[in-house]
Amino acid sequence: GEDVEQSLFLSVREGDSSVINCTYTDSSSTYLYWYKQEPGAGLQLLTYIFSNMDMKQDQRLTVLLNKKDKHLSLRIADTQTGDSAIYFCAESITGGSYIPTFGRGTSLIVHP
Amino acid sequence: KAGVTQTPRYLIKTRGQQVTLSCSPISGHRSVSWYQQTPGQGLQFLFEYFSETQRNKGNFPGRFSGRQFSNSRSEMNVSTLELGDSALYLCASSLGQPSEAFFGQGTRLTVV
Repeated sequence: GEDVEQSLFLSVREGDSSVINCTYTDSSSTYLYWYKQEPGAGLQLLTYIFSNMDMKQDQRLTVLLNKKDKHLSLRIADTQTGDSAIYFCAESITGGSYIPTFGRGTSLIVHP
Repeated sequence: KAGVTQTPRYLIKTRGQQVTLSCSPISGHRSVSWYQQTPGQGLQFLFEYFSETQRNKGNFPGRFSGRQFSNSRSEMNVSTLELGDSALYLCASSLGQPSEAFFGQGTRLTVV
C-alpha cells in the first residue's frame, strides 16, 4: 500500500472549519508537511511539523500530529472559497533520502 | 529571494521526440528533485540531484534522465516520448537536509 494516505475529497461550507486527515506508515518520519496546489500551479508549502511535536498553529492553520496512530491532520479555520485546492500531506524520513513522499492529495471544495 | 523557476511552462511534443525541461532552484539550495504529476498516479518522484550528483532515483525507465550544473540549476530529459508521459513535471529545491522543499510552478508537457 501507499506510505501516505489521504481521503480524496472534502466539501465544506464557507466559514466552517475544514479538517483534512492523513495517515503515514513510517515511524521514523522526521518532517511532516502540508502542501497546497491550486489549479494549474505548483505546490505551495503551507506548514510543516517536526515529528517530536504534537501541534503547530499558524494563523488559520492548525496541524495536529498523533505519533502513536501515525495520524496527521490539517485544520483550516473559517474556510474561504480561496482555500479550494488540493492539499497534499507528505513525510520525509530520518536516515533516508529526505525526499518527501506524498499522499494522493485531498480536493477541498468550499461552497458558499 | 526568487523562488524556484521552471521553464518552459507549457510544451507540446510528438510521440518519439525528446524534451528537455529546466529548473533553477532557490539561491543557496543545492538539492533539486523532480516529480511527475498525473491524475492517475499522483505525485511520483523521479530523481534528486545534490551537488551535481544524482543522489536518489525513483522507479522510472531510463528514458528519463537528468543532470545538475555547478550553479545548482537542473535539467531533466525525456527521450522517445510516449503519450503516457503527458504530465505536469514539478521541480523542488531544498537545502538537501530534512527541511522544507519549495516547488516551482511546473512544466505542463503534452505528448500528441
